[in-house]
Amino acid sequence: DQQVKQNSPSLSVQEGRISILNCDYTNSMFDYFLWYKKYPAEGPTFLISISSIKDKNEDGRFTVFLNKSAKHLSLHIVPSQPGDSAVYFCAASAIYSGAGSYQLTFGKGTKLSVIP
Amino acid sequence: DVKVTQSSRYLVKRTGEKVFLECVQDMDHENMFWYRQDPGLGLRLIYFSYDVKMKEKGDIPEGYSVSREKKERFSLILESASTNQTSMYLCASQSYQPQHFGDGTRLSIL
Repeated sequence: DQQVKQNSPSLSVQEGRISILNCDYTNSMFDYFLWYKKYPAEGPTFLISISSIKDKNEDGRFTVFLNKSAKHLSLHIVPSQPGDSAVYFCAASAIYSGAGSYQLTFGKGTKLSVIP
Repeated sequence: DVKVTQSSRYLVKRTGEKVFLECVQDMDHENMFWYRQDPGLGLRLIYFSYDVKMKEKGDIPEGYSVSREKKERFSLILESASTNQTSMYLCASQSYQPQHFGDGTRLSIL
């Protein structure tokens, strides 16, 4: 049972345009959401996060939107750059997940290709 | 900056061998995690630890064990390596969100 879903395995965008990566979740207990970026042969790096008490969080070219009623979040990258080409993982956490561990549940990832 | 160091970037072992993957973090984090990443499957949690000598099973613990004797070090052990354990292994640590990842170990079991 996949609790965090990224339904698009890949996405291609022209340089300078907007990239929109989508993520859906099913567990109503999730209340904190993160996006990670991963280059080949490297570990994931944290990009941006959002708490369930907000519906938007912005950091430079990256904005995350959360629609709790639809259990949907999206990552917007504007403008897209060739260096943004990577796999993006959506992740979710329920604070009271037991053992004080702040476990994350990850989606399967979306491979973004930004074409020069 | 948080630094999570995995002992090997690439490792080749044979089936039946006992394999040790080591992870060290330098930020005094309580929580440490081991994941594996496979194409099309994302990151799957194998084991995690929230304190020294404490461990909890993740989603796919079969065939693996872990050890945390010191706060900064978390080891993943493949008791008897099999070809289906060929994968990218990622270690992470945290006190609070976000988790911070190492660069991964690409493990091949022949």
